[in-house]
Amino acid sequence: GAVVSQHPSWVICKSGTSVKIECRSLDFQATTMFWYRQFPKQSLMLMATSNEGSKATYEQGVEKDKFLINHASLTLSTLTVTSAHPEDSSFYICSARVSDGYYEQYFGPGTRLTVT
Amino acid sequence: KQEVTQIPAALSVPEGENLVLNCSFTDSAIYNLQWFRQDPGKGLTSLLLIQSSQREQTSGRLNASLDKSSGRSTLYIAASQPGDSATYLCAVRSQGGKLIFGQGTELSVKP
Repeated sequence: GAVVSQHPSWVICKSGTSVKIECRSLDFQATTMFWYRQFPKQSLMLMATSNEGSKATYEQGVEKDKFLINHASLTLSTLTVTSAHPEDSSFYICSARVSDGYYEQYFGPGTRLTVT
Repeated sequence: KQEVTQIPAALSVPEGENLVLNCSFTDSAIYNLQWFRQDPGKGLTSLLLIQSSQREQTSGRLNASLDKSSGRSTLYIAASQPGDSATYLCAVRSQGGKLIFGQGTELSVKP
């Protein structure tokens, strides 16, 4: 089946530094990838949608200069949290969509970011 | 604006019971509906995907139904097991392509 990986699975960084999270579709090509954020005991909130080779589309309220998204290939998207602050601590989950008409989304295992 | 609601927020049942999780959505113009499972601290596992033209999908002990006109979906779990304990998320895909999630139902199956 379709597998999505994320790296790292968890990361701790100091306030003011930047962190990059990678999302890969391992056995399929994903023209569209999504980045979600999840706070404890809450559901997933869509941050942005990225299409290969073009700029990401950010949801209302998400700072595009703070959360940089790059979708350089059909199997790789990256999320960079710039100048991280403690309030950016969260669980970040990426998802990739198979462009086969059924549009089923497959999710990565998530990355736990803690900013100290 | 599409809103997805899941009831109940939490459910605790003894092992072996059959159970139903509910999902409702406000805008019936959906492309499809997906049920996911999420274990604590983990990503999402897709359980069932129902296209807007379908009424139900089955996978093993799981059965999901869709009534688009009334804006409802149910996930039926037969003969529940402790390993079924997790949070179950319902998500609808609007015609615009975005997946909108409900808040989830936290299920605990007691041995």
